Amino acid sequence: KAGVTQTPRYLIKTRGQQVTLSCSPISGHRSVSWYQQTPGQGLQFLFEYFSETQRNKGNFPGRFSGRQFSNSRSEMNVSTLELGDSALYLCASSRWGDRATNEKLFFGSGTQLSVL
Amino acid sequence: AQSVTQLGSHVSVSEGALVLLRCNYSSSVPPYLFWYVQYPNQGLQLLLKYTTGATLVKGINGFEAEFKKSETSFHLTKPSAHMSDAAEYFCAVSDLLTGGGNKLTFGTGTQLKVEL
Repeated sequence: KAGVTQTPRYLIKTRGQQVTLSCSPISGHRSVSWYQQTPGQGLQFLFEYFSETQRNKGNFPGRFSGRQFSNSRSEMNVSTLELGDSALYLCASSRWGDRATNEKLFFGSGTQLSVL
Repeated sequence: AQSVTQLGSHVSVSEGALVLLRCNYSSSVPPYLFWYVQYPNQGLQLLLKYTTGATLVKGINGFEAEFKKSETSFHLTKPSAHMSDAAEYFCAVSDLLTGGGNKLTFGTGTQLKVEL
């Protein structure tokens, strides 16, 4: 069974540009979450999608957005990139997004975004 | 607001020695607690999770953690460290106040080094 796949693995952009990151969840998983990981701020929750609807959102500016397609694949977009957006962006998927059960959350290897 | 504190950003143990990684949480309602491990250039892998029930939780790779409500702690232990345990470990918390789904609040991580 394939794991969570994130593309691209590495990305270099310049300030002011926009970027789109892609995440394919494990087959059968309907919940997709996004996290930002930086050395200074650690791991921070961006948002979660379930059945094409945003179910939860973290404390990030509106420049960060996402969406989920009918096949559960998800994309996140960052517009008007800033130097501080340089980070590892991790995608995670689970079947129902029910952390109260034994359901597991599976992470991808991430997309390393560098903003110059 | 919920939070997680991991004491010690770096922990070093000898191979075969006890591993103890500390995690204290803050939550106004019963929490769900997690330990994740991250190897270099990889995403996070779930070691174990506590939802309800038995306070001693056994995970993968010989790790276990005990939920102590009175101490608001969820320390991770392993009786005998192996070289392959060298990685970064994250404690995370979630609760019903954050809404449904997979919104986790992570600690800042503990880098475990295992020496011969």
